[in-house]
Amino acid sequence: QKEVEQNSGPLSVPEGAIASLNCTYSDRGSQSFFWYRQYSGKSPELIMFIYSNGDKEDGRFTAQLNKASQYVSLLIRDSQPSDSATYLCAVGTGTASKLTFGTGTRLQVTL
Amino acid sequence: DTEVTQTPKHLVMGMTNKKSLKCEQHMGHRAMYWYKQKAKKPPELMFVYSYEKLSINESVPSRFSPECPNSSLLNLHLHALQPEDSALYLCASSQVFTGTTNEKLFFGSGTQLSVL
Repeated sequence: QKEVEQNSGPLSVPEGAIASLNCTYSDRGSQSFFWYRQYSGKSPELIMFIYSNGDKEDGRFTAQLNKASQYVSLLIRDSQPSDSATYLCAVGTGTASKLTFGTGTRLQVTL
Repeated sequence: DTEVTQTPKHLVMGMTNKKSLKCEQHMGHRAMYWYKQKAKKPPELMFVYSYEKLSINESVPSRFSPECPNSSLLNLHLHALQPEDSALYLCASSQVFTGTTNEKLFFGSGTQLSVL
């Protein structure tokens, strides 16, 4: 059974700090990795995707992928209160285009 | 236009009612999806349409009936629902659905459904 694991949190970081969100997955055949941000009562919004080992940066966000260790992480630099949300990790195996979502990590950025 | 539009935003229905959820996108995407999300849980895939044809049905009960009239529209017809079907129903789209790659999903704002 394919699993995607995330710490449910809440992860609390002060404003301006770096927030580090982690995700592990069980299927070694996984090929694509996505981070979605979901505010309470709202729909998920794609913020990062990564397909290859290493780092991928976009503004304040950096996605890191390590396929050998089967983890993917999301770093948020200069965290803002508006970053407070649940962050969902989604993993795809490349077959049937079905993504497996983690249960999400709730991030709280405090003033 | 990078939006996926869902209507209605909120829906309350009785167990004997028939209602429909609607989804529309104008990004030229050829794959559309229905997801169900319970509070504090991840989205669960229900259906996938690719080029207006049903590609995946995740063993969803027949009281949920999807329909894809054209490449821009996706409906979910509801009939004889149960209270446990109360959830946020999310529509999503992606450029294509190949079966070999995982496309980026763009979600609509969802319909919050309550079944009484």
